[in-house]
Amino acid sequence: SQQGEEDPQALSIQEGENATMNCSYKTSINNLQWYRQNSGRGLVHLILIRSNEREKHSGRLRVTLDTSKKSSSLLITASRAADTASYFCATSSITDSWGKLQFGAGTQVVVTP
Amino acid sequence: GAGVSQSPSNKVTEKGKDVELRCDPISGHTALYWYRQSLGQGLEFLIYFQGNSAPDKSGLPSDRFSAERTGGSVSTLTIQRTQQEDSAVYLCASSFTGRTNYEQYFGPGTRLTVT
Repeated sequence: SQQGEEDPQALSIQEGENATMNCSYKTSINNLQWYRQNSGRGLVHLILIRSNEREKHSGRLRVTLDTSKKSSSLLITASRAADTASYFCATSSITDSWGKLQFGAGTQVVVTP
Repeated sequence: GAGVSQSPSNKVTEKGKDVELRCDPISGHTALYWYRQSLGQGLEFLIYFQGNSAPDKSGLPSDRFSAERTGGSVSTLTIQRTQQEDSAVYLCASSFTGRTNYEQYFGPGTRLTVT
């Protein structure tokens, strides 16, 4: 079963707008990671936020983590056509003896020029 | 530097045949992972290798699936007697270590189609 659930499943925006997607999970975690996937092939790591962190920035990306609500959000500011991709959250559970990641089903983002 | 590579990029096979998928991890990465992604779905964990330790095979869906990692580097995922439901993209990833708080680097995947 999947640990992370992304919301919305799909998002369509204009270039320059901000894109926000959310991830909810069920168990206590060590960290939560966001990945991007273009064209159904390999995933690219975007950002990792640890359970004791609340917010993290990387370029135009902003990630928040609320462990009390077991949720995270990914904000892409000033979106570009090149941001069109699927975005996945992945969690590392404290119950796993190693850094096993459980992925959600993803949010498909389409940015139109 | 070189990333994770996988071969073949695409594989079409007939139902009942065996297939082998290959993964070359990033040099120096001790942890290697296999995932399966069906159309429009998230990633399903299959198997994890860490150094010379016994692999975590808990995600393998049936005994038709097996994987090896030779010399702590290259890995091969074997699917015997393929079925149509095995059609998916098979993704390999590696990381510096399998401990938590390390990102995984993914290969481009092998798209398997079973006819």
